[in-house]
Amino acid sequence: NAGVTQTPKFRILKIGQSMTLQCTQDMNHNYMYWYRQDPGMGLKLIYYSVGAGITDKGEVPNGYNVSRSTTEDFPLRLELAAPSQTSVYFCASTWRDGNSPLHFGNGTRLTVT
Amino acid sequence: RKEVEQDPGPFNVPEGATVAFNCTYSNSASQSFFWYRQDCRKEPKLLMSVYSSGNEDGRFTAQLNRASQYISLLIRDSKLSDSATYLCVAPGGSNTGKLIFGQGTTLQVKP
Repeated sequence: NAGVTQTPKFRILKIGQSMTLQCTQDMNHNYMYWYRQDPGMGLKLIYYSVGAGITDKGEVPNGYNVSRSTTEDFPLRLELAAPSQTSVYFCASTWRDGNSPLHFGNGTRLTVT
Repeated sequence: RKEVEQDPGPFNVPEGATVAFNCTYSNSASQSFFWYRQDCRKEPKLLMSVYSSGNEDGRFTAQLNRASQYISLLIRDSKLSDSATYLCVAPGGSNTGKLIFGQGTTLQVKP
């Protein structure tokens, strides 16, 4: 049982490049989340999904896109990367009603230069 | 008002001390809350869930005050290994499933 798997672990992007951060979970969780964490700060919610085909904006959605075509996968797309998107990105998932604890991936450390 | 708010600290305490953190939330309809521990910007690890008035696990006690809309985390007999950042999580807004983190409280336990 792998839990929540994020790839890649590290990535360096040049300004203006695009990339997709992958997140997959094998626990059949309905709810999935993307957070970013800047140095010395808490986690900020980027996007979340309560089920396949449904996505909603979080606190800081600008510059990102998501899709949820299957229950297992919730990729995060960065278009036109900017230095302000340098951060650690965490994907998480939880059980059906959102009142259960979050299970986290190991994070992706992204640097945009 | 932020949806979930914590005092960022840092809290510097000696070993053996008792320390408490508070976390306020704005969504009065929230039913469940969580405390996570985070080390060195690794992924957060669940510390405690709070579904009703409170929860206790060894040296850790979490309490919920619905009237004042805050949750607290009490750590008794602090250990050096308790040094970390403590994050609270609460449902945000009226959207089901939206989980918001506070900015985290840093605890440093000193010998």
